[in-house]
Amino acid sequence: DAKTTQPPSMDCAEGRAANLPCNHSTISGNEYVYWYRQIHSQGPQYIIHGLKNNETNEMASLIITEDRKSSTLILPHATLRDTAVYYCIVSLAGGTSYGKLTFGQGTILTVHP
Amino acid sequence: DSGVTQTPKHLITATGQRVTLRCSPRSGDLSVYWYQQSLDQGLQFLIQYYNGEERAKGNILERFSAQQFPDLHSELNLSSLELGDSALYFCASSPRLTSTDTQYFGPGTRLTVL
Repeated sequence: DAKTTQPPSMDCAEGRAANLPCNHSTISGNEYVYWYRQIHSQGPQYIIHGLKNNETNEMASLIITEDRKSSTLILPHATLRDTAVYYCIVSLAGGTSYGKLTFGQGTILTVHP
Repeated sequence: DSGVTQTPKHLITATGQRVTLRCSPRSGDLSVYWYQQSLDQGLQFLIQYYNGEERAKGNILERFSAQQFPDLHSELNLSSLELGDSALYFCASSPRLTSTDTQYFGPGTRLTVL
C-alpha cells in the first residue's frame, strides 16, 4: 500500500471549513484514498473514500488532484465535535490486501470555539 | 453506534496469562478485522476473517490467534501476555471481502497487562 504523509496537527475555528491535506505521491492506479477519524479513544469512524473523482457525502468532501498524488478532506462547517485524529489511508482494491487498512500517524484536528 | 460490539470493555491481567477478546460484527457483515492500537505503534492491522476463513494477516504475533465462528462472531486470543501487549484492541466489520467496503469499528477492548 502507498504511504501517506499528513501534517501532525491543525487548528480550525468553529463554523469554518477545515481543510486537511494528505500526500500520497506513490499511489498506484487501483488504490483508493480513504479517510477515517478517531475521536479520543473511540473506534475509528469512516468518513469518505474515492478513487479519481471528487466525492461528497453528508460528512465531508474529498478532493483528489488530477495526478492523484495528493488529496484534501474538507469539513465544510467544523464543530467542536469534529476535534479528532484524522487518518488518510491508501488501500489497494482487491488482491491479497482484502481491505486491510494501514493507519499512519494522522492529523490531530483541534476545533476552537 | 457502529453496530459492532466488543466485550469486555476493559481487561486487566498479569504477564504470562491468556485472554480472549470477543467481537460481534454488524448484522449481515461477513468480514471481520482485528486491529491493535498502542502508544508506540499506533493503529495496526492484525488479521482479517471472511465468512469463517482467514483472509489476510498483518503483523500478528505468533502468541496471538483468532477465529471466526459460524454465527460470524470472532474471537482474538492472546497468550503468554507481556507488558507490551497492553493496548486498545479494535474489531471492525464490513459486508464483503472487497476493500472498497466501509469498515465499521467497534468501541474497542482496553487490555492492561501488569
